[in-house]
Amino acid sequence: EAQVTQNPRYLITVTGKKLTVTCSQNMNHEYMSWYRQDPGLGLRQIYYSMNVEVTDKGDVPEGYKVSRKEKRNFPLILESPSPNQTSLYFCASRRDVGRVPSPLHFGNGTRLTVT
Amino acid sequence: DAKTTQPPSMDCAEGRAANLPCNHSTISGNEYVYWYRQIHSQGPQYIIHGLKNNETNEMASLIITEDRKSSTLILPHATLRDTAVYYCIVTSSGGSYIPTFGRGTSLIVHP
Repeated sequence: EAQVTQNPRYLITVTGKKLTVTCSQNMNHEYMSWYRQDPGLGLRQIYYSMNVEVTDKGDVPEGYKVSRKEKRNFPLILESPSPNQTSLYFCASRRDVGRVPSPLHFGNGTRLTVT
Repeated sequence: DAKTTQPPSMDCAEGRAANLPCNHSTISGNEYVYWYRQIHSQGPQYIIHGLKNNETNEMASLIITEDRKSSTLILPHATLRDTAVYYCIVTSSGGSYIPTFGRGTSLIVHP
């Protein structure tokens, strides 16, 4: 089944303790991205990647890192989490060929709480 | 990418058509209109997209005005499971592709 898989689904951590949220897609998609969703603010893009070893900042990149060493994986790294990073996080992917932008496929989300 | 404007909330009776409007008056010629929905806190789900012609698939229909400045997503026979937040997005291919989701329309389908 074609899907985007995020882990973990729920994560509670303390301020300053490094964490990684994994994202993997099995559709051979070139483009991958991370979003965070907060009440009243909609979905905001954190980082995106057009292909392996190519990453760029989205609208709210501060406090996050990403890497794209393999096409299928796009982990989100919080080196020193803070309470304002408490949020619902989504990973997404899409094909990146042709003139028509292809639809985004989203994972099921990771709910992160930083105390 | 062009910005969109959607009503914050709508409601609809089960079995009736749900018509969700979206304004995108600054859309440019190479930008497509996409619709997604998000049920509760699940990942957004793609519904349909179009450039200038009306489109229909098994989930919904998309009507785009001739000047392309607005569109309407139609769920022909809404069910309780269609209760969700619906996002209208305007975007083009390639480049940085940072689709702006905004706050969408919260659709409540009631019995």
